[in-house]
Amino acid sequence: SQKIEQNSEALNIQEGKTATLTCNYTNYSPAYLQWYRQDPGRGPVFLLLIRENEKEKRKERLKVTFDTTLKQSLFHITASQPADSATYLCALDLKTGANNLFFGTGTRLTVIP
Amino acid sequence: EAQVTQNPRYLITVTGKKLTVTCSQNMNHEYMSWYRQDPGLGLRQIYYSMNVEVTDKGDVPEGYKVSRKEKRNFPLILESPSPNQTSLYFCASTFRGTGELFFGEGSRLTVL
Repeated sequence: SQKIEQNSEALNIQEGKTATLTCNYTNYSPAYLQWYRQDPGRGPVFLLLIRENEKEKRKERLKVTFDTTLKQSLFHITASQPADSATYLCALDLKTGANNLFFGTGTRLTVIP
Repeated sequence: EAQVTQNPRYLITVTGKKLTVTCSQNMNHEYMSWYRQDPGLGLRQIYYSMNVEVTDKGDVPEGYKVSRKEKRNFPLILESPSPNQTSLYFCASTFRGTGELFFGEGSRLTVL
């Protein structure tokens, strides 16, 4: 069966450290992989998109990698800050024309001051 | 300001009482979709629309209807709500082909 797993439900790290979140998938062949941030009571907000032929993408303190052989994406936040505390969702885009993203259940990140 | 607006944000209703959740976007996006978010299950697509008068089922369409009479609006209709439709609902939109979804703030629905 198709599955998207994000490494853990919750991750606590110390301010200033690098947070690494994992997204593993099985029985999908995504053309794109996206990461979103969701704050409590709010809608998800798009962060980064990486294509299947890209290994790495960066945006400010954020870095995403995409390994289609391992079927895994890693999401890094460097120099983490308490304001980075949120739930992070990965989403697979199969590009079937249905504009349907398949979401993981998210990892709740807490950055401790 | 570019945004997706949903109403109502919170609603408590009873089984069988028809309700509509409205969604409007001001970005001239072709694609619009509805998702529901449940603990442990993540976001799942209910219905989507690729343009005016073009709609199709997502992964969990049972018990829901939609319409797309205008490009900016995409209402979600629950003809006869049941308790298993208690959930957090999100409307989203995007330009054709970009993939990046713009989400509304969510509508928390409770069906008693």
